[in-house]
Amino acid sequence: DTEVTQTPKHLVMGMTNKKSLKCEQHMGHRAMYWYKQKAKKPPELMFVYSYEKLSINESVPSRFSPECPNSSLLNLHLHALQPEDSALYLCASSPGQGKGAYEQYFGPGTRLTVT
Amino acid sequence: AQKVTQAQTEISVVEKEDVTLDCVYETRDTTYYLFWYKQPPSGELVFLIRRNSFDEQNEISGRYSWNFQKSTSSFNFTITASQVVDSAVYFCALRGEYGNKLVFGAGTILRVKS
Repeated sequence: DTEVTQTPKHLVMGMTNKKSLKCEQHMGHRAMYWYKQKAKKPPELMFVYSYEKLSINESVPSRFSPECPNSSLLNLHLHALQPEDSALYLCASSPGQGKGAYEQYFGPGTRLTVT
Repeated sequence: AQKVTQAQTEISVVEKEDVTLDCVYETRDTTYYLFWYKQPPSGELVFLIRRNSFDEQNEISGRYSWNFQKSTSSFNFTITASQVVDSAVYFCALRGEYGNKLVFGAGTILRVKS
């Protein structure tokens, strides 16, 4: 079962709010990812967790704060966002990380609107 | 540097037509991995295929087929007898031998009309 779940599906938040996006996978994957996707653009990598440790941060502003409580869960904490942060946020996981032949499996995404 | 080019921004076909989506890539890695993903209007990126650089066999899966040509750095995707449900954005992506980062092309919007 190659399923990654994300909650919520949609989120509307004000610029002063604090909210969290959640991602879960039960495939025993070792790496988990957050991507941001603007309309009509490809996904952009934000963070990579490998064995529950942050391994890549693509110079993402500190108003986005990732957390990996355990090997199955990945959160993205949001605080003081700007309207330009409105986008589709995609979570992904992969069986491997670093070197090797493997693919990333994506969740359905959270559509975030910042007002 | 790694780069993926999908020159076709948008393609419109009528149902049952065959359609080929082009993907050209650049990398200096000797080992690398190529992917195709489908993104329907619902938003989820659906994994379709991974091709390893050391395996140049073409692949067919139902109505889908992929043509990998190292000599021209291309990894094209053909849908035979297209259906309305094939309407989506299709992304070609590349990952080098080391590292987790996928380099995506800009995507091709496929519209299949009934």
